[in-house]
Amino acid sequence: DAGITQSPRHKVTETGTPVTLRCHQTENHRYMYWYRQDPGHGLRLIHYSYGVKDTDKGEVSDGYSVSRSKTEDFLLTLESATSSQTSVYFCAISGGPTGIPLAKNIQYFGAGTRLSVL
Amino acid sequence: AQTVTQSQPEMSVQEAETVTLSCTYDTSENNYYLFWYKQPPSRQMILVIRQEAYKQQNATENRFSVNFQKAAKSFSLKISDSQLGDTAMYFCAFMKRDLTTSGTYKYIFGTGTRLKVLA
Repeated sequence: DAGITQSPRHKVTETGTPVTLRCHQTENHRYMYWYRQDPGHGLRLIHYSYGVKDTDKGEVSDGYSVSRSKTEDFLLTLESATSSQTSVYFCAISGGPTGIPLAKNIQYFGAGTRLSVL
Repeated sequence: AQTVTQSQPEMSVQEAETVTLSCTYDTSENNYYLFWYKQPPSRQMILVIRQEAYKQQNATENRFSVNFQKAAKSFSLKISDSQLGDTAMYFCAFMKRDLTTSGTYKYIFGTGTRLKVLA
């Protein structure tokens, strides 16, 4: 456990509704990431953050937005959920806290959120 | 753009035997890292082993070892003395630091190999 908490762990929602997933870390890592995992695709990067209020798009960012107002929290929002966004979502952190350089390039993952859009 | 290919969607091995999972990647970078992650049925992603590209020596972690062939861009994972607890999805990942975005570590994952260890 690398001090990463994702909430909720499971969610079922209806098409067209907004959904926000939360990632909270206690490790003071600089970089945070949101991935989605789908069969046959592995993990695909949605958005990432390289500091407070510093975010950028990944390879599958359409339909998603993110925000990072504090070092420890990274939110993923689906403004209007669609069935194609049914997936397992993982938050990850890397960069390491200050003083532990060897761990910096390792990416640590949360437990995942299973989202079903009906 | 970097790509990571895992050509074996599924594999099985008898308990106590040895199995090798393959991974190839494509990059023009010289400095990068490679990883193998394990995802058991619990869904948690667990780091198995890490390899720095500038190191010629293959990384080992107990029963897990890699065969890193930099020129061939190959990074296979060998599991010795397979155990039932090794049953999981295994992901190969490539990482480089993107200096255009404040040094963000960028990771690219393969599609995974589902390994089943048979009793």
